[in-house]
Amino acid sequence: EAEVAQSPRYKITEKSQAVAFWCDPISGHATLYWYRQILGQGPELLVQFQDESVVDDSQLPKDRFSAERLKGVDSTLKIQPAELGDSAMYLCASSHRALGGTEAFFGQGTRLTVV
Amino acid sequence: QKEVEQNSGPLSVPEGAIASLNCTYSDRGSQSFFWYRQYSGKSPELIMFIYSNGDKEDGRFTAQLNKASQYVSLLIRDSQPSDSATYLCAAGGSSNTGKLIFGQGTTLQVKP
Repeated sequence: EAEVAQSPRYKITEKSQAVAFWCDPISGHATLYWYRQILGQGPELLVQFQDESVVDDSQLPKDRFSAERLKGVDSTLKIQPAELGDSAMYLCASSHRALGGTEAFFGQGTRLTVV
Repeated sequence: QKEVEQNSGPLSVPEGAIASLNCTYSDRGSQSFFWYRQYSGKSPELIMFIYSNGDKEDGRFTAQLNKASQYVSLLIRDSQPSDSATYLCAAGGSSNTGKLIFGQGTTLQVKP
């Protein structure tokens, strides 16, 4: 069964350090999402790609966060420098059709702890 | 106003009862609606989606959509302790924004 792959599963980093997360969507899925989920809250959309283009990054803290999907397949989310408040689960999801119109499937997530 | 709103709960029901989970959304351009189940420490798992007004049934789950009222619900019949989880409502496919937006989730507790 096709799955969204994410790595690493867990990451502990010191504040002010750089950290990166990787996501490989289900093959053929054009739309890719990065979400941040703080404990006890719903997933918050950070960035949405359609193929290699950013559709929405209005909630991405661009002074420290960056995201890319250079060839329209896998994607990397980077934080530099990390802050204590960035501790959260970072979730990647993908869907087949454009712009959130079809079911999105999640990877297992990356649990980030900033110390 | 949040774009997708849910009562955070917890909603507690006895085993075998019907659990009713509700969600409202603000973007009238939203065209597709999803229910995800999330166990503690795990990622969300898609359980239902609905695009048209009315009811959609899948096993013990029924999703209901009322676009005029901007209201989505999920009914779980014959609730089991294994249904205890957080249920996330999401709205997507908006003609206005195209984003897939989640509510804060409702925690369901099914007591044996």
